Amino acid sequence: AQSVTQLGSHVSVSEGALVLLRCNYSSSVPPYLFWYVQYPNQGLQLLLKYTSAATLVKGINGFEAEFKKSETSFHLTKPSAHMSDAAEYFCAVTLGVTGGGNKLTFGTGTQLKVEL
Amino acid sequence: KAGVTQTPRYLIKTRGQQVTLSCSPISGHRSVSWYQQTPGQGLQFLFEYFSETQRNKGNFPGRFSGRQFSNSRSEMNVSTLELGDSALYLCASSLGLAGDYEQYFGPGTRLTVT
Repeated sequence: AQSVTQLGSHVSVSEGALVLLRCNYSSSVPPYLFWYVQYPNQGLQLLLKYTSAATLVKGINGFEAEFKKSETSFHLTKPSAHMSDAAEYFCAVTLGVTGGGNKLTFGTGTQLKVEL
Repeated sequence: KAGVTQTPRYLIKTRGQQVTLSCSPISGHRSVSWYQQTPGQGLQFLFEYFSETQRNKGNFPGRFSGRQFSNSRSEMNVSTLELGDSALYLCASSLGLAGDYEQYFGPGTRLTVT
């Protein structure tokens, strides 16, 4: 079984400041990890994914995440926040073919607010 | 390349009725998954189809069912609607089942049960 915990349901940053959204996972086997973003009244857009090729993963819109096995973490960062980054962010895990195919287990989400 | 499309985008039904939602995956994608999103329960996995076969199912009652056609398009059906079925239903498509394939989500169908 797998699970995801996102610390902080709401995060507020100033425009230009560092964005750090936290995600910890629990998995019985090496997981595949994803970050998605959701804008109001829209579906989910994939930001980046970890599939064991590299621990530091770069995604779209300047976001990146680092897989730390020892800490079971996959935190999402962006050096400088932009107003357009305001949205809800979801961390998700899947175990692949042996663990349930593409079934994504999501965290509860973090609402990011960017202030001027 | 066109994205995942879902129809209808909005739907209002009354308790006891049934509803069918449709999802057209990205061309070439053979896996389709369905998720329910509610404020209280968050994003929950409903089921996944690959090559017209259900490969995985979430913890939902039998009122929730689905199917996939030979062209990979998928439908999900909810019978005997309850107020608690009000949610955003999201469909995602992927090339395969390996887990490391990207899953692309549609815009969702907003179902309101009154």
